[in-house]
Amino acid sequence: SQKIEQNSEALNIQEGKTATLTCNYTNYSPAYLQWYRQDPGRGPVFLLLIRENEKEKRKERLKVTFDTTLKQSLFHITASQPADSATYLCALSDTGRRALTFGSGTRLQVQP
Amino acid sequence: GAVVSQHPSRVICKSGTSVKIECRSLDFQATTMFWYRQFPKQSLMLMATSNEGSKATYEQGVEKDKFLINHASLTLSTLTVTSAHPEDSSFYICSVGQGANYGYTFGSGTRLTVV
Repeated sequence: SQKIEQNSEALNIQEGKTATLTCNYTNYSPAYLQWYRQDPGRGPVFLLLIRENEKEKRKERLKVTFDTTLKQSLFHITASQPADSATYLCALSDTGRRALTFGSGTRLQVQP
Repeated sequence: GAVVSQHPSRVICKSGTSVKIECRSLDFQATTMFWYRQFPKQSLMLMATSNEGSKATYEQGVEKDKFLINHASLTLSTLTVTSAHPEDSSFYICSVGQGANYGYTFGSGTRLTVV
């Protein structure tokens, strides 16, 4: 069966450290993978998209890697801040579909 | 990315009544919109794909007659929860995609509580 797995346990880190979140998927062949941020009671906000032929993508303090052999994406936030505290979701589209399927999300808590 | 407006943000209704949720794409003509549902501490689950001028495509297990979707224009899709029951209480979110380079834009969500 198809699965998108993210660490369901909350990730607690100290301000200034790098947060690394993991997304693993099975039985998908995505053309691209996306990361979103979701705050409580709000809709997800798009952060980054990485294509299957890209190894790494950066945007300010964010970095995403994509390993289609391992079927894994890593999401990094460098120099983390308390304002980065939120739930981070990975999402992908299966071949031939436009709709996104989401992982369960990982809650990040950055301690001041 | 697109700007998406969703209303209402919160609604409380009595069991057995119907509730309509609107999703508007303010600056992008969306031939397709997506409706998701999110239960507490769970991820977003796709309910249906709304297609302008034609029938929506529902995911397996989602009742078409209970969750009516209308996409009559390129800027508006509506989701009507008919004969709502307490188990329909959830967070409903719509989204619009402008293309693979832009990611998807989500509405702010509608918290539905059925009492």
